[in-house]
Amino acid sequence: DIQMTQSPSTLSASVGDRVTITCRASQSISSWLAWYQQKPGKAPKLLIYKASSLESGVPSRFSGSGSGTEFTLTISSLQPDDFATYYCQQYNSYSRLTFGGGTKVEIK
Amino acid sequence: EVQLVESGGGLVQPGGSLRLSCAASGFTFSRYWMTWVRQAPGKGLEWVANIKQDGSEKYYVDSVKGRFTISRDNAKNSLYLQMNSLRAEDTAVYYCASVYGMDAWGQGTTVTVSS
Repeated sequence: DIQMTQSPSTLSASVGDRVTITCRASQSISSWLAWYQQKPGKAPKLLIYKASSLESGVPSRFSGSGSGTEFTLTISSLQPDDFATYYCQQYNSYSRLTFGGGTKVEIK
Repeated sequence: EVQLVESGGGLVQPGGSLRLSCAASGFTFSRYWMTWVRQAPGKGLEWVANIKQDGSEKYYVDSVKGRFTISRDNAKNSLYLQMNSLRAEDTAVYYCASVYGMDAWGQGTTVTVSS
């Protein structure tokens, strides 16, 4: 089974900061990786699909990169609405979906 | 507008059963693999099960194999999760989702397993 290791688990940052979250897959998943944002009591919201494609309507300060086993989500200038929990998700196979453990972005 | 609406959650005793439903609208339901994802209180997202467009392939996380059954009715644009032999650790918000080819999530339905 493919494991997804996400780091850090918590991140303290200020408005305007550049923020980077990393996700590592235990084996190659090509570019079949998505990033989600989740706020308390809400369903996850898709930000990035296929590792680097920006979902329609998502601000351009969000970007994704990587392929194979190493991936990153970058927020170029953190905004107040961005304080949330972020998850990576591999969808390389129909037989199993795997999420990273999550990164909570907190106000510094 | 693409919409997924879950129902059927509630409080159930350990060992009991529940059937979750998910009503889909705004897209061609029969074209997509469908997924159940859950989130225990204060925890991360956990995949539960996937089902192919025609229902011919089904996959489950190990912890629910033999207890949960995913199914669909394309004529009714509906997805289901039959949950038997429920345990306290199954307590979670359960989301119906499409994540392959098109991304959509329901608002979630809460399942609480407690005596």
